Formats: sequence, structure tokens, C-alpha cells
Amino acid sequence: DQQVKQNSPSLSVQEGRISILNCDYTNSMFDYFLWYKKYPAEGPTFLISISSIKDKNEDGRFTVFLNKSAKHLSLHIVPSQPGDSAVYFCAASAAGTYKYIFGTGTRLKVLA
Amino acid sequence: DAGITQSPRHKVTETGTPVTLRCHQTENHRYMYWYRQDPGHGLRLIHYSYGVKDTDKGEVSDGYSVSRSKTEDFLLTLESATSSQTSVYFCATTAAITDTQYFGPGTRLTVL
Repeated sequence: DQQVKQNSPSLSVQEGRISILNCDYTNSMFDYFLWYKKYPAEGPTFLISISSIKDKNEDGRFTVFLNKSAKHLSLHIVPSQPGDSAVYFCAASAAGTYKYIFGTGTRLKVLA
Repeated sequence: DAGITQSPRHKVTETGTPVTLRCHQTENHRYMYWYRQDPGHGLRLIHYSYGVKDTDKGEVSDGYSVSRSKTEDFLLTLESATSSQTSVYFCATTAAITDTQYFGPGTRLTVL
């Protein structure tokens, strides 16, 4: 029973265009969501997060959108750069649990 | 990110042998975690700790045990390694005052 799903295993985008990575969740208790980027042979690095009291959070080129009614979040990267090529994981947590459920990841390739 | 180191970084062992992986953090974070990453499965929680000597099971805990005798150290032990435990193992930490999780660089374990 996958509580957090990333249905697109891979995505290719041209440099300078927008990358949109999607994530769906099933557990309505989740109220904090995170995105991580992972390069080969390295640990995941925290990218951006969003609390369920918001529907949008921005940090530079990265914006996360949360649609609670649809149990869906997305990460937008604008403009995409070749250095953004990595695997992106979304994760979800319920308040006070300090336990995180991760999706299976989406491999983003930004073409120069 | 949170001063997390893992040792060893790479290990090859034989089926049936015990293996211990070490995680060390310098940020005094309360929560520590062990995940494994496998193709098609993303990051799956093995065990986690919410304080010294306080640990609990994650979703894939069978065949693994953990110990935390000091805030900064979290050990993962495979009592009798099997080929299905060939994976990349990540340690992570979370401070009690935030909900952001930080990861170590990973340990690649191969069980022959």
C-alpha cells in the first residue's frame, strides 16, 4: 500500500523550460510535505517543503504547490538547468510523528 | 547538511555474516533513521530512533536491528546478511524543532 506515489519514473525537459514533477498521497493525516533531490552516489538533499496550511511555497527557481482536496503536490522548476538533472523524491509526514513516507522518485533529465 | 557521516561507505560481505553500519551526527538532532534505497521502491524506512535507547521499527525492519547508546551515534546491524539486503543504506536525522530531515552520504552494501 503505497501512501505516497510518484507515477512518472522519468521526465525529460529542455534547458530553460519548466519542469513539473508530481506526487500523490492517500493518507489524509499527512500535513507536511518535502521534496528532495538526489545525485548518483550521494545522499538526498533537502530542496523545499510545504505545510498543509499553505497551498504554495517558493524558493528561487523552485515552487511547490499543494492541492489538499486532490491529495496532490507538484514541484515546479523554472527555468530548468542541466545541473537540475537528478532523481527527485517527494515525502510526506503527519504532525508530531517525525516519520516520513517517500515516493519512488522521478528521474529528471534536463537537456542542454 | 547536518554533519552526518556513515561508515563504511562501501562494503562487500558474504551471506550469513553479521554486518554493522554506523551513522554519526554532529548536530545533536533528536531523531535518527535508517533507510534503504532500492530501484522501484524509493526510500524505505528500516528503523528509527526518537532518543537515546528509544527505537522503533519501520516498514522493512525484518532482519535488521538498531542501537542508539549516544545521541550522536545510530548503529544498524544485519544479524545474518542475505542477498536481499544488498542495497544502499542511508542514515538521516531530524531536529525536534523542525520537520526537515537531512541525509548522510549512504553506504553501498553488497551481500554475495
